Amino acid sequence: GAGVSQSPRYKVAKRGQDVALRCDPISGHVSLFWYQQALGQGPEFLTYFQNEAQLDKSGLPSDRFFAERPEGSVSTLKIQRTQQEDSAVYLCASSWINYGYTFGSGTRLTVV
Amino acid sequence: EDQVTQSPEALRLQEGESSSLNCSYTVSGLRGLFWYRQDPGKGPEFLFTLYSAGEEKEKERLKATLTKKESFLHITAPKPEDSATYLCAVQGSFGNEKLTFGTGTRLTIIP
Repeated sequence: GAGVSQSPRYKVAKRGQDVALRCDPISGHVSLFWYQQALGQGPEFLTYFQNEAQLDKSGLPSDRFFAERPEGSVSTLKIQRTQQEDSAVYLCASSWINYGYTFGSGTRLTVV
Repeated sequence: EDQVTQSPEALRLQEGESSSLNCSYTVSGLRGLFWYRQDPGKGPEFLFTLYSAGEEKEKERLKATLTKKESFLHITAPKPEDSATYLCAVQGSFGNEKLTFGTGTRLTIIP
């Protein structure tokens, strides 16, 4: 596609609910990143894939966060047992060999 | 640990009033310094990548410069449509692929 597509755009979850956020990267982009952006802050790194391999997950805040990219294209970020502090915008970015990152518009998650 | 500090946090300018945004950084082995623009409700939009001290890049009313400790984003004769949050990020040494972002400068251009 022409850009990075993320769905849903908005998600409201009750505390304790599990959520799944989807990212469709630009076709052919090898690298895929997930970032978390709190209100008024810069994006913070969560995890990085090269094709289907998750090479860095050092930014995932707890074991409730899980990401996958099974076929090296679409990626899903899953958050189990959501808590209020998980409320943020979740951004996905893709690139060709780690240059020229293109970001999606993000998913705004609100945990109530 | 890589660190990025941006200043000021917010800046209000009259249309046509030129200014500069600052990005100070510490990184082990800079591979690239990135500038992004972010509009409300949207993801960051790529502006520039700078790779080495002394490098400069320009795009319309924006010019980015890089030294060994900081980068500046110069805005010349800004227009209201330049209003946005400007984010700076660094990428460190090979093997560490993530971008480390600053908290951004929120720029408002008053007509």
